[in-house]
Amino acid sequence: AQSVSQHNHHVILSEAASLELGCNYSYGGTVNLFWYVQYPGQHLQLLLKYFSGDPLVKGIKGFEAEFIKSKFSFNLRKPSVQWSDTAEYFCAVNGQNFVFGPGTRLSVLP
Amino acid sequence: AAGVIQSPRHLIKEKRETATLKCYPIPRHDTVYWYQQGPGQDPQFLISFYEKMQSDKGSIPDRFSAQQFSDYHSELNMSSLELGDSALYFCASSLGLAASSYNEQFFGPGTRLTVL
Repeated sequence: AQSVSQHNHHVILSEAASLELGCNYSYGGTVNLFWYVQYPGQHLQLLLKYFSGDPLVKGIKGFEAEFIKSKFSFNLRKPSVQWSDTAEYFCAVNGQNFVFGPGTRLSVLP
Repeated sequence: AAGVIQSPRHLIKEKRETATLKCYPIPRHDTVYWYQQGPGQDPQFLISFYEKMQSDKGSIPDRFSAQQFSDYHSELNMSSLELGDSALYFCASSLGLAASSYNEQFFGPGTRLTVL
């Protein structure tokens, strides 16, 4: 069955630190990949998505993600985080089914 | 551990019929979110409830309504169904809505609605 895993349950960083959140999936077919953010008290918002083409995808708020097909990975990165990036981040994969990862909580300390 | 339960998992309806989707949140969770994911699209936020009151509203059509009950389960009612309503409907639950609290969101498996 298709599954999505996120490496870290909770990440704590100081402002200006670099961020990388891991996401791996298990599905051998063609996939579409997504990263969502959920700020406290709000619903999901789409950060970026990959359908095809350049595996390095740029999203909103300075986020980017790289699709590495051979590693079944779609890691999210940001070179310098801000306190306002404190949120829950969900990776999602649309292959056989649309599946969300369990989420990674990011806490950015001012 | 208990997860978010959605029922039914699959539903087939005809145009102009009505449908009711149910979401049972994780025990003690008081907030429910509904999302609609059309074919080839990413999920779109529809509506959310906190403590049985509507807390936020997204792109929910007027033909749809939803509510949260005293046991915190939620139902999404869809009337005058159209072909374009065929989609996967996700429910998610979390604990608390205050901006100062960290309300981690848990997703259900989704209900696949097909309108013929």
